[in-house]
Amino acid sequence: DIQMTQSPSSVSASVGDRVTITCRASQAITNGHGLGWYQQRPGKAPKLLIYSISSLTPGVPSRFSGSGSGTDFTLTISSLQPEDFATYYCQQANSFPRTFGQGTKVEIK
Amino acid sequence: QVQLQESGPGLVRPSETLSLTCIVSTDSFKSTYWSWIRQSPGKGLEWLGNIYHSGTSNYNPSLKSRLTISIDTSKNQFSLNLGSVTAADTAVYYCVGAPNMYFFDYWGQGTLVTVSS
Repeated sequence: DIQMTQSPSSVSASVGDRVTITCRASQAITNGHGLGWYQQRPGKAPKLLIYSISSLTPGVPSRFSGSGSGTDFTLTISSLQPEDFATYYCQQANSFPRTFGQGTKVEIK
Repeated sequence: QVQLQESGPGLVRPSETLSLTCIVSTDSFKSTYWSWIRQSPGKGLEWLGNIYHSGTSNYNPSLKSRLTISIDTSKNQFSLNLGSVTAADTAVYYCVGAPNMYFFDYWGQGTLVTVSS
């Protein structure tokens, strides 16, 4: 299995801040689809934000962006908004079983 | 708009079988890969397995010996059976759809299943 490790586990930030979350895979992700990012608000199902490393799901604000290659990937929120306080998960799509990072909670500072 | 709805018992006894069904409202049932994902209380996400309309499936090796996923294309639904459950199987179970097999675009609201005597 490919293990996905996110950092930090939590981050405190203010509205307007730039936030970067990192996801590291235990082995290189080599297929063209790579990695995705999800947002989960309390009591709700996760929502796909970014797929194939850097493609934005339709309807997702452009302040969200993804990048990376090989084993290291990042999710960046360029200017944090009140509705962005949530938990974020990365997910590898390179092989089965699909695996997720442990999550990064973005909290209000 | 794709809608998914999980159904099944909220309480299962240890050593018994956990059974859930997901009914899907979509015209693209046969072109989407359907998965089950669970989330233990306060923890992260675990992919259990998936199935395609043809019946082709993939399972998480950690659960493969206890898990069966089936599909009924005539009813636009798919199901999960997890045998010999323990308290460690207590979780919110989501039924999920992936149009391209790789990423999970469509999610049910989730159903909490508690394993307890």
